[in-house]
Amino acid sequence: DGGITQSPKYLFRKEGQNVTLSCEQNLNHDAMYWYRQDPGQGLRLIYYSQIVNDFQKGDIAEGYSVSREKKESFPLTVTSAQKNPTAFYLCASSTHREETEAFFGQGTRLTVV
Amino acid sequence: RKEVEQDPGPFNVPEGATVAFNCTYSNSASQSFFWYRQDCRKEPKLLMSVYSSGNEDGRFTAQLNRASQYISLLIRDSKLSDSATYLCVVRRGNQGGKLIFGQGTELSVKP
Repeated sequence: DGGITQSPKYLFRKEGQNVTLSCEQNLNHDAMYWYRQDPGQGLRLIYYSQIVNDFQKGDIAEGYSVSREKKESFPLTVTSAQKNPTAFYLCASSTHREETEAFFGQGTRLTVV
Repeated sequence: RKEVEQDPGPFNVPEGATVAFNCTYSNSASQSFFWYRQDCRKEPKLLMSVYSSGNEDGRFTAQLNRASQYISLLIRDSKLSDSATYLCVVRRGNQGGKLIFGQGTELSVKP
């Protein structure tokens, strides 16, 4: 079955550590996105990528980094520079066609301890 | 001002009620529009796309007014299972399809 997979589902990190969240899709989608959601809030765009080896900053990119070496994969690294990293992280993918929707992974809940 | 703004919630309604959510967007380059549903601590899932002519799917009706830059979602005969957060989503055509989310409107349907 085609889909988008995030791992791990829950992640605990000590302050000052970098951590990488995985996102893999087998939908053959060109575009991939990372969003952050805080309790009671909407989704805020961190980074997005329209094609392999290219990506753009979203609204809250500071303290985060990404790579897009393969079409299927768009990992997100939360660095120690991110001051409030505890949040729910959602990865999504879509085609380039404007009228098509995005599909989401199940999310990773990151907690800094 | 946020690019996509939704009615602040929460909406608390009895079963069987009709409820309407509104959403406005500020960027006229926006090309495509969607309503997503998000259950507590889960990922958003597509509820329906919104077309210029308006569209209906069972108890759900979505409408788009490009002149006023306004989108709406109407839910008729509310069920307990409709309780969730509803997210308005706009896709910009001139930036390779960047997806912008509203902050969401929470709906709670009570017996």
